[in-house]
Amino acid sequence: DTAVSQTPKYLVTQMGNDKSIKCEQNLGHDTMYWYKQDSKKFLKIMFSYNNKELIINETVPNRFSPKSPDKAHLNLHINSLELGDSAVYFCASSQSGGRYENIQYFGAGTRLSVL
Amino acid sequence: AQKITQTQPGMFVQEKEAVTLDCTYDTSDPSYGLFWYKQPSSGEMIFLIYQGSYDQQNATEGRYSLNFQKARKSANLVISASQLGDSAMYFCAMRERNYGQNFVFGPGTRLSVLP
Repeated sequence: DTAVSQTPKYLVTQMGNDKSIKCEQNLGHDTMYWYKQDSKKFLKIMFSYNNKELIINETVPNRFSPKSPDKAHLNLHINSLELGDSAVYFCASSQSGGRYENIQYFGAGTRLSVL
Repeated sequence: AQKITQTQPGMFVQEKEAVTLDCTYDTSDPSYGLFWYKQPSSGEMIFLIYQGSYDQQNATEGRYSLNFQKARKSANLVISASQLGDSAMYFCAMRERNYGQNFVFGPGTRLSVLP
């Protein structure tokens, strides 16, 4: 069973469209994250979210919004897509508390291409 | 300012040899965690090893060990007996417990294992 799963794996779309990427984790973790990895492989956190708190990286445009229907899911919605949004997006999860607090487990990534 | 520095954009190592990947970090938080992740060409992010700032001993996980030098703020990854499957990008990351609690990743080192 995949611990952290993202869909779709590839997403090709036109500029200006709205799209969503889904993420589910079956690890029972209480915190989930979204990362963006650019073409130079630089990985930057976008959001972290648990059932108490959403922490937003201030550099993330408000066209990006996380939506969590329950503890096991954190979807990423992107409005009015721009060329610069092309990247690989990773979902991750972790469990707070304990010695290995916040070791994150990643999904396989979603490669978004905006044309 | 860069919180995580990985000065080696690329490294080569002969199969069965050991290799050290450098990582230095910058924080004034006394409580933090250091992580190494592997990203093979298939794209997924794989957790390798964790070191807490208060840990007295260096972390080890199989062929991976973390050379933690707190005073120098370095957390180098040592891979012993390199295998062809170790060829990948390796990312060092840090989480500060008290300052934002976000993960910060370094720019990565691409390791190539030669037969």
